[in-house]
Amino acid sequence: DAKTTQPTSMDCAEGRAANLPCNHSTISGNEYVYWYRQIHSQGPQYIIHGLKNNETNEMASLIITEDRKSSTLILPHATLRDTAVYYCIVRVGSARQLTFGSGTQLTVLP
Amino acid sequence: GAVVSQHPSWVICKSGTSVKIECRSLDFQATTMFWYRQFPKQSLMLMATSNEGSKATYEQGVEKDKFLINHASLTLSTLTVTSAHPEDSSFYICSATEFIQSGTEAFFGQGTRLTVV
Repeated sequence: DAKTTQPTSMDCAEGRAANLPCNHSTISGNEYVYWYRQIHSQGPQYIIHGLKNNETNEMASLIITEDRKSSTLILPHATLRDTAVYYCIVRVGSARQLTFGSGTQLTVLP
Repeated sequence: GAVVSQHPSWVICKSGTSVKIECRSLDFQATTMFWYRQFPKQSLMLMATSNEGSKATYEQGVEKDKFLINHASLTLSTLTVTSAHPEDSSFYICSATEFIQSGTEAFFGQGTRLTVV
């Protein structure tokens, strides 16, 4: 799986959009970009994934650059419950396991 | 999405005893499950891959005789920490994958906090 680089930590004001960047410059053509988050002392939770098109679901939006070397996860209206470690992972779609990097600690401030 | 249930959520045991952690896929069949370990302020590290009906595959540095994995059915994998010691205290998380339209999707249990005293 391709390596990803994320900032160690970010703060966001409650109610504002949280934009979490991820660099994956060595991504291969058949690798997807996945985002998971882990709230303290819980198992990771799936957020969203995409191949090359931008994606949106009820939780977040995923913006992938045209060259696919980076992406941004957007939480449109962050709440205190969105405080968590966010992991950006790239992997082949058929792969079963995930390799976790260090992720970004997002702290939503009141 | 699919649900993976892990039990217990936390356990405290005495040094030298064994502890069993269960991981169940509640609404889908999982031929493969994964066990991760997470130390404080660190990321998840894959310990082993649990294969239904066959031996588990362990990552480098993980002792297979200490962390016994059994995957006897398509919905249940167990991790037994044998002769636990304080350094085994950690957060253990299981994961199961399900095939979806774009490949596979991983679902995680809620984790088990093991404290060895």
